[in-house]
Amino acid sequence: GAVVSQHPSWVICKSGTSVKIECRSLDFQATTMFWYRQFPKQSLMLMATSNEGSKATYEQGVEKDKFLINHASLTLSTLTVTSAHPEDSSFYICSASRGPYEQYFGPGTRLTVT
Amino acid sequence: QKEVEQDPGPLSVPEGAIVSLNCTYSNSAFQYFMWYRQYSRKGPELLMYTYSSGNKEDGRFTAQVDKSSKYISLFIRDSQPSDSATYLCAMIDQGGSEKLVFGKGTKLTVNP
Repeated sequence: GAVVSQHPSWVICKSGTSVKIECRSLDFQATTMFWYRQFPKQSLMLMATSNEGSKATYEQGVEKDKFLINHASLTLSTLTVTSAHPEDSSFYICSASRGPYEQYFGPGTRLTVT
Repeated sequence: QKEVEQDPGPLSVPEGAIVSLNCTYSNSAFQYFMWYRQYSRKGPELLMYTYSSGNKEDGRFTAQVDKSSKYISLFIRDSQPSDSATYLCAMIDQGGSEKLVFGKGTKLTVNP
């Protein structure tokens, strides 16, 4: 149990376009989901916390108008990178919380902006 | 001083060795401690979580927490080449937030 999926696993887009990444908890309901960003050989950087039915809470320095998060249901959260630029190229990972202290991560989405 | 310190390694051991991975932390409010394993280009996988001080064992893995020293460890017995990955410690305080605070991760290679 405790499987989290992400789609797509890899995406290339042109500068100025928008990209949507989906995160789903497949076998449990998650009231809270998290979005992280990871640069090569670095640890995960929390971008935002997403609660079902309410607005996401963004970490300091993360542009909420650029990284739109929608937690539509207890099993689905989406991250949309708007007007993407090459510096947005990164590995984006979501996690879903099954209990207060059990976070399960998705496999990640590699975004390349050309 | 960072909240969570973890030696990034790299750590290289022969197959069958006992591996010891460690993290120290500064925030005494941390109550829940996790270890994640991350393979290259994959999301982290939750290995174990423990509450407060003590030991927890799961197969070849043992997690230890010493709150008095603000020190946590993960031991891997009979290490296998498939254990080669980056190991991340993570912690949560008991203040209600579910935000994980991660160490930088230790890259482990187990050589056959």
